[in-house]
Amino acid sequence: QKEVEQNSGPLSVPEGAIASLNCTYSDRGSQSFFWYRQYSGKSPELIMSIYSNGDKEDGRFTAQLNKASQYVSLLIRDSQPSDSATYLCAVNRQGGSEKLVFGKGTKLTVNP
Amino acid sequence: SAVISQKPSRDICQRGTSLTIQCQVDSQVTMMFWYRQQPGQSLTLIATANQGSEATYESGFVIDKFPISRPNLTFSTLTVSNMSPEDSSIYLCSIPRSASGVVMGVDEQFFGPGTRLTVL
Repeated sequence: QKEVEQNSGPLSVPEGAIASLNCTYSDRGSQSFFWYRQYSGKSPELIMSIYSNGDKEDGRFTAQLNKASQYVSLLIRDSQPSDSATYLCAVNRQGGSEKLVFGKGTKLTVNP
Repeated sequence: SAVISQKPSRDICQRGTSLTIQCQVDSQVTMMFWYRQQPGQSLTLIATANQGSEATYESGFVIDKFPISRPNLTFSTLTVSNMSPEDSSIYLCSIPRSASGVVMGVDEQFFGPGTRLTVL
């Protein structure tokens, strides 16, 4: 099993819809979970971090974490064409390790 | 948040040569990380650059191929040695955000703009 797996995509949604991005991880000792957005030709940009079970909302973005199921998701409400990018899920290794393991990413396209 | 810069932003190199990539941060940081992103792939951690000690490398990466320097708390270099076309990637440095207020877990990491390397 890969350490961090994301729904393979690509994902295409109409403007204004909710985009749902999913990620599972294998290391039960992981404590920190991150979502990055990467535009083509650019470096990853952190958009959400989550550390506790439940939901965390920031504007149009909601991250959801379920440690029992080893599952983390990102919801983007009222999707905009500017949200079109690849979204990377990252998880830290084993508790306090600063080292991040990234999923392969899900490419999202928001159609006007 | 800290400003991270990398040089060069891109380069095209011949096989068998070496390239040194610089990462500069505008504030002092304890740890710096070097990642590689091969075409169409996700990020893979190469090594952790520690000031005052040897870098620690991840499985599959060795010092002879990717020597790293960390002369102070604001600067690091990664050298890609004896390059082959398989080394064509984007190379990124990252830093953790200190004092982020995280009680349990690790700091958020922020990435530099990257160096796009093409090896012919």
